Amino acid sequence: AQSVTQLGSHVSVSEGALVLLRCNYSSSVPPYLFWYVQYPNQGLQLLLKYTTGATLVKGINGFEAEFKKSETSFHLTKPSAHMSDAAEYFCAVSERGGYNKLIFGAGTRLAVHP
Amino acid sequence: DTAVSQTPKYLVTQMGNDKSIKCEQNLGHDTMYWYKQDSKKFLKIMFSYNNKELIINETVPNRFSPKSPDKAHLNLHINSLELGDSAVYFCASSQDSRGSDTQYFGPGTRLTVL
Repeated sequence: AQSVTQLGSHVSVSEGALVLLRCNYSSSVPPYLFWYVQYPNQGLQLLLKYTTGATLVKGINGFEAEFKKSETSFHLTKPSAHMSDAAEYFCAVSERGGYNKLIFGAGTRLAVHP
Repeated sequence: DTAVSQTPKYLVTQMGNDKSIKCEQNLGHDTMYWYKQDSKKFLKIMFSYNNKELIINETVPNRFSPKSPDKAHLNLHINSLELGDSAVYFCASSQDSRGSDTQYFGPGTRLTVL
């Protein structure tokens, strides 16, 4: 069965600092990989996804993630944090060849302080 | 124009009552979903419909019954509400049911069972 682990339920960075949110998956076949962001009292919004091709994926708001098959990872990064990046971030996977069933990690709360 | 909308946004009710949550999408998508987010922010899929046909039915109590009158609508009816049903329920939609397809989420319905 697929699973997703997000290391660090809370991450705190200074404005302008590097953001690194970690995601590892467990699956016999590399799945499709997603990062979603949830702002307070809102729904989820797709940041980026990896389906095939180039393993470095660029998303919205300056975020990017790299799929590393050997490490079963899909970490999310942003070179310079902005106050508006404070939110909950979810890594998710769905099975190749299966229905679109997102399996989510537990989420990482990102705090950005001045 | 809201892509995926849900009503109501908040729902407070007593144990034992029956309630419904409605979802509509104006994206022209074929597939719709219900997710439950618990108090610890953990997200789990409940159901998915593709062209009004149920394709994903996770281990959910029989008290939960989804209904899709057409491709643009997916409603969730809950019988005999219990305290543990308190959560935020998200509706989502995608172009089709492929695992690589992006899911677009609604704003959520916060259900509180007293």
